[in-house]
Amino acid sequence: GQQLNQSPQSMFIQEGEDVSMNCTSSSIFNTWLWYKQDPGEGPVLLIALYKAGELTSNGRLTAQFGITRKDSFLNISASIPSDVGIYFCAGGSGETSGSRLTFGEGTQLTVNP
Amino acid sequence: EAGVAQSPRYKIIEKRQSVAFWCNPISGHATLYWYQQILGQGPKLLIQFQNNGVVDDSQLPKDRFSAERLKGVDSTLKIQPAKLEDSAVYLCASSLSYTGTQFFGPGTRLTVL
Repeated sequence: GQQLNQSPQSMFIQEGEDVSMNCTSSSIFNTWLWYKQDPGEGPVLLIALYKAGELTSNGRLTAQFGITRKDSFLNISASIPSDVGIYFCAGGSGETSGSRLTFGEGTQLTVNP
Repeated sequence: EAGVAQSPRYKIIEKRQSVAFWCNPISGHATLYWYQQILGQGPKLLIQFQNNGVVDDSQLPKDRFSAERLKGVDSTLKIQPAKLEDSAVYLCASSLSYTGTQFFGPGTRLTVL
């Protein structure tokens, strides 16, 4: 089946620092999504990408859909304590954010005040 | 707008027992998903419904797992009999249609002893 390799597994940073995480796959995906999951909650959609090469921002978050359609990255600028959580990438087999999703293993982010 | 509701939030059972989880999607959402999230991993799709019909159950272990959405609204996921490796968080998500953004519920944390 399709698999996503997400890195790094965990990050420990100081408040105010920028963060970058990425996902790669041997398979092509038609959509890339980034979710954040807080303890005891379900994942919440942060950014959705629909076209190869697309660069999209949402506040301090920026994500890009790789040209090869096999990778994506997420950047968080000027991190704050509430950015703490687990970030998941997800590749969609269809052409919309509602299509069948394959999730990465997650990046655990810790922000020290 | 109310989010996806799930119950119970926590369940502890012994192996070989049966268990059922309930999900009430966001009002008007035609598509409903059940995911299994093992600790330290990303969610894995078990089954997808479009109204009361199954769209994708290719990753559902059908020898022990079953799910239904009889009236096309709320849904039940059952495990019978449970195994130790079924310990996980079971997430329900819904979307307006199969092309729409998936919104996740808080999940049910199952522990099998």
